[in-house]
Parts: sequence; C-alpha cells; structure tokens
Amino acid sequence: DAKTTQPTSMDCAEGRAANLPCNHSTISGNEYVYWYRQIHSQGPQYIIHGLKNNETNEMASLIITEDRKSSTLILPHATLRDTAVYYCIVRGANFGNEKLTFGTGTRLTIIP
Amino acid sequence: NAGVTQTPKFQVLKTGQSMTLQCAQDMNHEYMSWYRQDPGMGLRLIHYSVGAGITDQGEVPNGYNVSRSTTEDFPLRLLSAAPSQTSVYFCASSYSRQYYGYTFGSGTRLTVV
Repeated sequence: DAKTTQPTSMDCAEGRAANLPCNHSTISGNEYVYWYRQIHSQGPQYIIHGLKNNETNEMASLIITEDRKSSTLILPHATLRDTAVYYCIVRGANFGNEKLTFGTGTRLTIIP
Repeated sequence: NAGVTQTPKFQVLKTGQSMTLQCAQDMNHEYMSWYRQDPGMGLRLIHYSVGAGITDQGEVPNGYNVSRSTTEDFPLRLLSAAPSQTSVYFCASSYSRQYYGYTFGSGTRLTVV
C-alpha cells in the first residue's frame, strides 16, 4: 500500500473551510484515497473516498490532483464538532489487499 | 441497529490470562479486521479476514489469534496477556470492494496488569 504524509496538526476558525492536505506520491493507478476521522477515542468514522475525480458528499469534499500524488480534504464550514484526528489512507485495490494502513493523521482543532 | 458490535467495552486482565474480544457485524460484510491503538499513535492492523474461513496477519499479529467461522463474527483471542497488549482495540468491517468505506466498532479498552 502507498504511504501517506500528513501534517501533524492544524487549526481552523469555526465557520471557515478546513483544508487538510495529504501526500501519497507512491499511489498505484487503481488505489483509492480514503479519509477517516477519529473523535476522542471513538472508532474511526468514514468521511469520503475517491479514485481520480473530485468527490463531494454531505460531510466533505475531496480534491485529488491530476497526477494523484496528493489530495485535499475540505470541510466547508467547520464546526467545533469537527475537532478530531483526520487520517488519509490509500486502500489496496486487489482482492485480499483491502486492508487500511493508518498513519498518525492530522489533529484538527476548530477554534471558536 | 446495523453496525459493528464489540464486547466487552472495558476489560482488565492479569498477565498470563487469556481472553477473547468479540466482534460481530450484521451488514453481511465479507471483510473484517482488528486494529489496536496505543496512546498518541495511529491504528495498527493485527489480523484481517476476507471471508469466512480465510484469515491473514497484519502488521502486529504476535500474541493474537483469530478465526472466522461465520460471516458475522470475528473474535480476537489473546493467548497469554502481557502488559504490552494494553491498548484500545477496534474491529472494522467492509464489503470486499475497494470503493466501500469501513465501519468501525466503538472499541474495547484493555488493560493488562
């Protein structure tokens, strides 16, 4: 699985857009980029994933660069409840290789 | 309610004791996995299964056993607990396709004294 690199921590003002970057320069052509978050010590929560096109759902948007070597998770209007550790993960594409490999993630703090 | 159920939520063991952490899902997911999370660290994969009767090792399998006799259940067995196994354990499941997200349980906090 491709390794990912994320900043250790970020702050964002409440109500503003939070942009979380991730580098995955060794990603293979058929591997998806996933984002999860973990609030306090709860189980990680799925946010969004994508292959090469930009994706949007009710929680966030995912922007993947054309060369697929990096991506950005965007929380459009951050709230205090978005304070969490955010993990960018590349998921194996082949049967039997679907496991997720977590890094240490980005600790996002939303400031009132 | 659909989801991943882990039991117990908390457990204290003495060194050398054995126990089984339970994980069950009712979403007919083929893929199930166990992770551990230590303070200040990300999740590390212990064991995973791509279907009933099929298991494989992850990043940190030593000291743990798993089996997958049914689609729904994926128990994690600690053979002889050690203080180094003090951690929070998460179970996760997913359809066996890369474009499906994982569903995680709420975790089991284990302390080995």
